[in-house]
Amino acid sequence: DIQMTQSPSSLSASVGDKVTITCQASQGISNYLNWYQQKPSQAPKLLIYDASNLETGVPSRFSGSGYGRHFTFTISSLQPEDIATYYCQQYENRTPITFGQGTRLDIK
Amino acid sequence: QVQVVQSGVEVKKPGASVKVSCKTSGYTFTNYCITWVRQAPGQGLEWVGYICPYSGKTNNAQNVQGRVTMTTDPSTTTAYMELRSLRSDDTAVYYCARSLGATTFDYWGQGTLVTVSS
Repeated sequence: DIQMTQSPSSLSASVGDKVTITCQASQGISNYLNWYQQKPSQAPKLLIYDASNLETGVPSRFSGSGYGRHFTFTISSLQPEDIATYYCQQYENRTPITFGQGTRLDIK
Repeated sequence: QVQVVQSGVEVKKPGASVKVSCKTSGYTFTNYCITWVRQAPGQGLEWVGYICPYSGKTNNAQNVQGRVTMTTDPSTTTAYMELRSLRSDDTAVYYCARSLGATTFDYWGQGTLVTVSS
């Protein structure tokens, strides 16, 4: 199975800050990576697909980049409504599809 | 608009079975797969498996292999996941999601809490 390692596991930032989360795959996965946001007691929401493509309707302050084993998710200017847990997910190997362990983001 | 609505809370005893439904609307049902993801209390997301109505192809995680059956009913645009021989570590919120090529999950149901307890 392809292991996905996210860091940090949690972070606190202030409104307006730039926030960066990284995701490392245990082997190369091309650009077969998605990012999801999950707010408390809600279902996950797709934000970024194919490593760098913004899902329709998602604010442009969210972005993603990377290829191979190393990926980055960025919020350019943190807003209060961005408080959530963020997950990366690989699909280079479809069986099984695997998620990172999540990054919990709080407001400082 | 695309909608995905799941069935309600389930409480089961160890060894029992549960069947969760996932009613979809607002798109052509047979053009997309349905993926199931679960989340144990306080834990992260775990892929369970998928079914693609247009091909009938299914695939699932090793830890539910032999215990899970995924089906669809195109006449009602509903997908189902049945999990048998339930164990305490199957306790989780189960999500279904519309899936592009079974790889990218763009519309999710609200989740169904399945509790396995004696």
